[in-house]
Amino acid sequence: QQQVKQSPQSLIVQKGGISIINCAYENTAFDYFPWYQQFPGKGPALLIAIRPDVSEKKEGRFTISFNKSAKQFSLHIMDSQPGDSATYFCAASPRMFSGGYNKLIFGAGTRLAVHP
Amino acid sequence: GAVVSQHPSRVICKSGTSVKIECRSLDFQATTMFWYRQFPKQSLMLMATSNEGSKATYEQGVEKDKFLINHASLTLSTLTVTSAHPEDSSFYICSALSGTSGRMVFGPGTRLTVL
Repeated sequence: QQQVKQSPQSLIVQKGGISIINCAYENTAFDYFPWYQQFPGKGPALLIAIRPDVSEKKEGRFTISFNKSAKQFSLHIMDSQPGDSATYFCAASPRMFSGGYNKLIFGAGTRLAVHP
Repeated sequence: GAVVSQHPSRVICKSGTSVKIECRSLDFQATTMFWYRQFPKQSLMLMATSNEGSKATYEQGVEKDKFLINHASLTLSTLTVTSAHPEDSSFYICSALSGTSGRMVFGPGTRLTVL
């Protein structure tokens, strides 16, 4: 059962463009939504994360937009660079901290290619 | 700070043998560690959750007798793939949860190839 749906599966963007990746979830108990970046042969690295009490969070060129009523969240990469070419995973979890922490549920991933 | 290492990074073994993969939190104590399996061009699938000093909790469909998990200390968890077969070939990734910061940190992964 896929609890976090991610799209698109792959994305090609020109250098300097905006990359947009979307995720949707069903479980209203989720309250932590991180995005991970993964390069081939490496483990995923946390990019940015958001809690549902805010609608947007920005860190450098990366922005998460969160729509609680629609149960959707998206990652925007501004001024995309060839070095951003990687696979991006959204994820969701019912709780962030230990002492009741629950597992991360990952989306299927989006392979981003930024062409120079 | 907050680094997780895995050893080995790559391992090739013969079918029927057992392989142990270590996951260490280098500069923090991990109350909980997670083990994932990732097939090529696919997402991370959680295999099990381990808490220090207690038995691991396995996800549905994961054979606990085949994938043995031990979380003997707050900085070390091990995954042993017993009687490995070619279909067990995959990228195994661990993650560790800091009990103080609540931050989840992933290891670099271990590529297992079973011949």
